[in-house]
Amino acid sequence: DIVMNQSPDSLAVSLGERATMNCRSSQSLLNSINNKNYLAWYQQKPGQPPELLIYWASTRESGVPERFTGSGSGTDFTLTISSLQAEDVAIYYCQQYYTTPLTFGGGTKVEVK
Amino acid sequence: QITLKESGPTLVKPTQTLTLTCTFSGFSLSNGGVGVGWVRQPPGKALEWLALIYWDDDKRYSPSLKSRLTITKDTSKNQVVLTLTNVDPVDTGTYYCGRPRGRLIDYWGQGTLVSVSS
Repeated sequence: DIVMNQSPDSLAVSLGERATMNCRSSQSLLNSINNKNYLAWYQQKPGQPPELLIYWASTRESGVPERFTGSGSGTDFTLTISSLQAEDVAIYYCQQYYTTPLTFGGGTKVEVK
Repeated sequence: QITLKESGPTLVKPTQTLTLTCTFSGFSLSNGGVGVGWVRQPPGKALEWLALIYWDDDKRYSPSLKSRLTITKDTSKNQVVLTLTNVDPVDTGTYYCGRPRGRLIDYWGQGTLVSVSS
């Protein structure tokens, strides 16, 4: 199984400031044939199901604000919220869909400082 | 509009079998490339992928749970059923079904909370 590790476990950021979180996979998620990274980011607010934010490591899902940016390739990935808004308080999960079993990271909890 | 809704018991006794149903609308499992998957989340913990079934009856399972899981589909009813045998308190959590785009879940149900307790 591909193991996904996220860091930090939690971070507190002031409103309007940048939030950065990381995700590392135990093997490369880059498909050399199509040059795509099979890495997604989800946002989960309390009592709600996850919501897809980013796929192919850097493609925003339709309707996702531009302040959310995904980057990285291979085994190291980053999700950045450029200017934290109150509604961004949530847990963020990375997930690999390169192969089954699909696996998720442990999550990064984002709070307002 | 794509919607999914999970249903099933809220309380199950240890060693019993848990049966959950995902009823969906807005897409059909008779169409090529379409699938439905299940993910669960213990209280306060991370997401865990369980199983996927595709339009052609291709099924994928979490290796750690494969011996206890079965996923089936009823295309005419727009339903997918997940069964988990010999449940234990560690199986307590919220169970979500979702529609994958390839292997990526882009639509999720609201989830159903299942407690395993005697």
